[in-house]
Amino acid sequence: EAGVAQSPRYKIIEKRQSVAFWCNPISGHATLYWYQQILGQGPKLLIQFQNNGVVDDSQLPKDRFSAERLKGVDSTLKIQPAKLEDSAVYLCASSFRPRTRTMNTEAFFGQGTRLTVV
Amino acid sequence: SQELEQSPQSLIVQEGKNLTINCTSSKTLYGLYWYKQKYGEGLIFLMMLQKGGEEKSHEKITAKLDEKKQQSSLHITASQPSHAGIYLCGAEGLYGNKLVFGAGTILRVKS
Repeated sequence: EAGVAQSPRYKIIEKRQSVAFWCNPISGHATLYWYQQILGQGPKLLIQFQNNGVVDDSQLPKDRFSAERLKGVDSTLKIQPAKLEDSAVYLCASSFRPRTRTMNTEAFFGQGTRLTVV
Repeated sequence: SQELEQSPQSLIVQEGKNLTINCTSSKTLYGLYWYKQKYGEGLIFLMMLQKGGEEKSHEKITAKLDEKKQQSSLHITASQPSHAGIYLCGAEGLYGNKLVFGAGTILRVKS
């Protein structure tokens, strides 16, 4: 089974530029997550999709970050314009379905995109 | 919202020694996940716990969820250099939203 694919693996941009990340989840996985992981910290959830609808985006800085999941499969995360503090690893994950009262399901992660803003 | 605190932040152990990492939640845990991460890479799923008192093992790693479902521990027996990495606990709240993570525990194993 193919895993979660992310691209690019690395990206270096200047502040105020724009950048986009792409994620292809595991086939059949309805739930997709984007996380931001700053060096030395745990992953912070930016946005969670269920199919092509947004479940939670409470920690997404909406003035500069946007994400979409057209057709409920691939997803893109965009930053415009980037700031120095956006330097981090951006992780995409997917799971078959969200947790129910009686059954959990683990999330599978991609390799991440390391963004450096200079 | 769910908050997870991990301890210790980091530890260095001699190869062959046992160790324990703890994860404490501010709220009842309805699903607790342990992941391992190599620096700069994605997370690798280790184990999932759901029921109070549940314990699971895989090779030399054992994870437990306490009866009150607010704390979990990860125990490694006879540590090896391959165990080195960052261990993260993750959890979901009652309504299955927002899979959140602790800050992680950095493990180094000296050979």
